[in-house]
Amino acid sequence: NAGVTQTPKFQVLKTGQSMTLQCAQDMNHEYMSWYRQDPGMGLRLIHYSVGAGITDQGEVPNGYNVSRSTTEDFPLRLLSAAPSQTSVYFCASSYKRIYGYTFGSGTRLTVV
Amino acid sequence: AQSVTQLGSHVSVSEGALVLLRCNYSSSVPPYLFWYVQYPNQGLQLLLKYTSAATLVKGINGFEAEFKKSETSFHLTKPSAHMSDAAEYFCAVSDRGTSYDKVIFGPGTSLSVIP
Repeated sequence: NAGVTQTPKFQVLKTGQSMTLQCAQDMNHEYMSWYRQDPGMGLRLIHYSVGAGITDQGEVPNGYNVSRSTTEDFPLRLLSAAPSQTSVYFCASSYKRIYGYTFGSGTRLTVV
Repeated sequence: AQSVTQLGSHVSVSEGALVLLRCNYSSSVPPYLFWYVQYPNQGLQLLLKYTSAATLVKGINGFEAEFKKSETSFHLTKPSAHMSDAAEYFCAVSDRGTSYDKVIFGPGTSLSVIP
């Protein structure tokens, strides 16, 4: 049982480049979310999904895109990377929200 | 919009002393409430959650939290701090009755334990 798997663990991008952060879970969880963590700001919700084919915006969605074609996968796309997107990104999933989230180990992204 | 505040970005306690980390939420309707812990260079781990009528909630590693509706608070406590408790702690909230599963986190409190 792998839980929530995020790839890559580290990434350096140049301004303007695009990339996809991968997130996969093997627990058959319906709910999945992407957060970014910045010093002093806690975790801010980027996008979330309550099931395959259903996504919605969180607190800071600009510059990011998501889709949920399967229950297992919830990739996060950076459309045109900016230095302000330098952060640690966490993917999380849960069966029901009252159970709490299981988090991945994170992706540390640097945009230069 | 739902929000959560954590008083004190950094808390230091002596080993063996009481740990008290504060969390307040903004909703007029009691939401679901969670505490998570993050150790250095790791993801977050669920400590405990409030989802029902039981106002005192016990979690892992000896932590517990008490829900107080009158104070809109959900403070985290541990009677005796251990060195291994040094970590970042996050309070999180999710509204009841909404169809979408949005969970909002507070800014976090860094706990240091002094030998």
